[in-house]
Amino acid sequence: NAGVTQTPKFRVLKTGQSMTLLCAQDMNHEYMYWYRQDPGMGLRLIHYSVGEGTTAKGEVPDGYNVSRLKKQNFLLGLESAAPSQTSVYFCASSYRQDSNYGYTFGSGTRLTVV
Amino acid sequence: EDQVTQSPEALRLQEGESSSLNCSYTVSGLRGLFWYRQDPGKGPEFLFTLYSAGEEKEKERLKATLTKKESFLHITAPKPEDSATYLCAVQGNGQNFVFGPGTRLSVLP
Repeated sequence: NAGVTQTPKFRVLKTGQSMTLLCAQDMNHEYMYWYRQDPGMGLRLIHYSVGEGTTAKGEVPDGYNVSRLKKQNFLLGLESAAPSQTSVYFCASSYRQDSNYGYTFGSGTRLTVV
Repeated sequence: EDQVTQSPEALRLQEGESSSLNCSYTVSGLRGLFWYRQDPGKGPEFLFTLYSAGEEKEKERLKATLTKKESFLHITAPKPEDSATYLCAVQGNGQNFVFGPGTRLSVLP
C-alpha cells in the first residue's frame, strides 16, 4: 500500500550516541516533515522540506539535523542523543503545504534515550 | 503565536451516547483547520479540513463544525471502534501546522 514508511519502529540509545531515522514515501509528495510527539503536548515540528535538496527549521530544531537527498526520502539525525529527546517521532508528507487532504503520517519511531 | 487547545483531555462514553469534542484556536490568518484520528501505536489519520466559519463536514458518525474561534467534533451514537485520540490542528499564515494535545476518547460497549 502507498504511504509513509518509517524505520526503525523502536530504538534505545545511550546518552551521547548518534542515530538516523529514515522516512520513505511513495506518493511523489514534494513536502516532507518530521514531528515529535510527547505526552500532553501536541505534535511539534522539528524540520521540514519543500522539495528534494531543501530543508528548513521548524519549531524545535535544536539537537537534530535532516537531509533530503532524494525526493522520496527524508532523514532525521541525532548527533549526540540526550534524555530530553526521548519521544515518539513521526514523519509526514503532502503534495502542498496547504493540502486539502492534510498530511499522510507514518506509524512512528519510539525512541528512548537512557 | 498560533495556539490550539482541546477539551476535554479524556472522555469516556457508553456505546450510543453522543457527545462533542472541542478545539479552541488562535491563529493569524486561518488557512485551514484539520481533524485527525490517532490509534495507539499509529500515526495520525486525516479526517476533515474546514476552511471558514459556518462550514460543516461529515463522515459516518462524525461531524466537524467551525466558528471563528473554535471547532467541534460531534460524535453521534458512537461505537467502540470510534475509540481513539482525536487531534485538531490549524494552519495559519505561517503555513506550518500547529497541533493541539488531543482528546482521548473511549467508547465502552
